[in-house]
Amino acid sequence: AQKITQTQPGMFVQEKEAVTLDCTYDTSDPSYGLFWYKQPSSGEMIFLIYQGSYDQQNATEGRYSLNFQKARKSANLVISASQLGDSAMYFCAMREGNFGNEKLTFGTGTRLTIIP
Amino acid sequence: DAGITQSPRYKITETGRQVTLMCHQTWSHSYMFWYRQDLGHGLRLIYYSAAADITDKGEVPDGYVVSRSKTENFPLTLESATRSQTSVYFCASAGPAYEQYFGPGTRLTVT
Repeated sequence: AQKITQTQPGMFVQEKEAVTLDCTYDTSDPSYGLFWYKQPSSGEMIFLIYQGSYDQQNATEGRYSLNFQKARKSANLVISASQLGDSAMYFCAMREGNFGNEKLTFGTGTRLTIIP
Repeated sequence: DAGITQSPRYKITETGRQVTLMCHQTWSHSYMFWYRQDLGHGLRLIYYSAAADITDKGEVPDGYVVSRSKTENFPLTLESATRSQTSVYFCASAGPAYEQYFGPGTRLTVT
């Protein structure tokens, strides 16, 4: 079974609208972390946001927030007031277990295109 | 410059040749990683290292060798390159909150 599933291969969104990128995960470990990364056309991988499995509140970083629904095993990325510069590939990733297991498993990504 | 760097950024090599991709980080992070990125597969872990002289296999280690004699360096060697190893290779290191910071990538083409 896929550990990280991103079901939207591509999305087109009008500039200034909010965007939700879906991510579901599969783990039996009670301790885990979820990450989102952005990869623009230039190719670099940019860390956006992190959510720990024991965190009580949803993580936020500027215009990015993570809609963490533990029972549904989903960790959707929400981008508010989208901008042209948000056009990129977005990857969801998961780390399982306690400190000492730093490996990340990545989803296959969602290509987001912001339309002016 | 602070951060994580990779060299070369682009490499073309022939089947059967040995190739080494270099990775250097200035943060003194303990954990370092090598990934490959291919269309339709996202990023897949090749090898990782918890500290100097400690390395372990990831999801797709076959055909690759790593070493880590110093904390800041984590080279990846393709012992006998094959066309299936044509890919973009990313090195990363893990920060204090488990987040990983990536290098700019190396685009490798094996002809």
